[in-house]
Amino acid sequence: KAGVTQTPRYLIKTRGQQVTLSCSPISGHRSVSWYQQTPGQGLQFLFEYFSETQRNKGNFPGRFSGRQFSNSRSEMNVSTLELGDSALYLCASSLEMGRGRNYEQYFGPGTRLTVT
Amino acid sequence: LAKTTQPISMDSYEGQEVNITCSHNNIATNDYITWYQQFPSQGPRFIIQGYKTKVTNEVASLFIPADRKSSTLSLPRVSLSDTAVYYCLVGEPGGFKTIFGAGTRLFVKA
Repeated sequence: KAGVTQTPRYLIKTRGQQVTLSCSPISGHRSVSWYQQTPGQGLQFLFEYFSETQRNKGNFPGRFSGRQFSNSRSEMNVSTLELGDSALYLCASSLEMGRGRNYEQYFGPGTRLTVT
Repeated sequence: LAKTTQPISMDSYEGQEVNITCSHNNIATNDYITWYQQFPSQGPRFIIQGYKTKVTNEVASLFIPADRKSSTLSLPRVSLSDTAVYYCLVGEPGGFKTIFGAGTRLFVKA
């Protein structure tokens, strides 16, 4: 079974530009979550999508947005990039969302975004 | 949301058992305790999850005392490849509002 895939793996953008990152979850998984990881802030939750709807959102500005398609694939977009947006962006998928004793998230390799 | 506290780093030698303790004094009744492992430039990987007492799988054991205010991840006979960052998470299982702490950087030496 293929794991979570993220594209592109590496990206360099300049301040003010926008970027779109893509995530393909494991086949059959319906929940996709996005995280930002930086050396200073660690891993921070961005948002979670389930059945094409954003169900939960972390504490990030509106420049960060996302969406999920009917095949569960997800994209996240960052507009008006700032230097501080340089980070590893991780996508995780799971069968379901919410409560569940054996809920388990499978993470992709991430997209390394560098803003110059 | 329960905050977690873990040691920043730990050193060990190959073949030893490693125990990493996580404090979570404000854990709520519905919260589960989950541990992840992360290697450089990779996404975190689920290790184990538990609610109370002891949970064991093929990779690790998780010990949770009765008051659930702490938990201990036990890695038996570590190898060099276990060098990674280990995160303890507390909350309702699920991506929403998942809070990763700073993690514990485990370094296994030969």
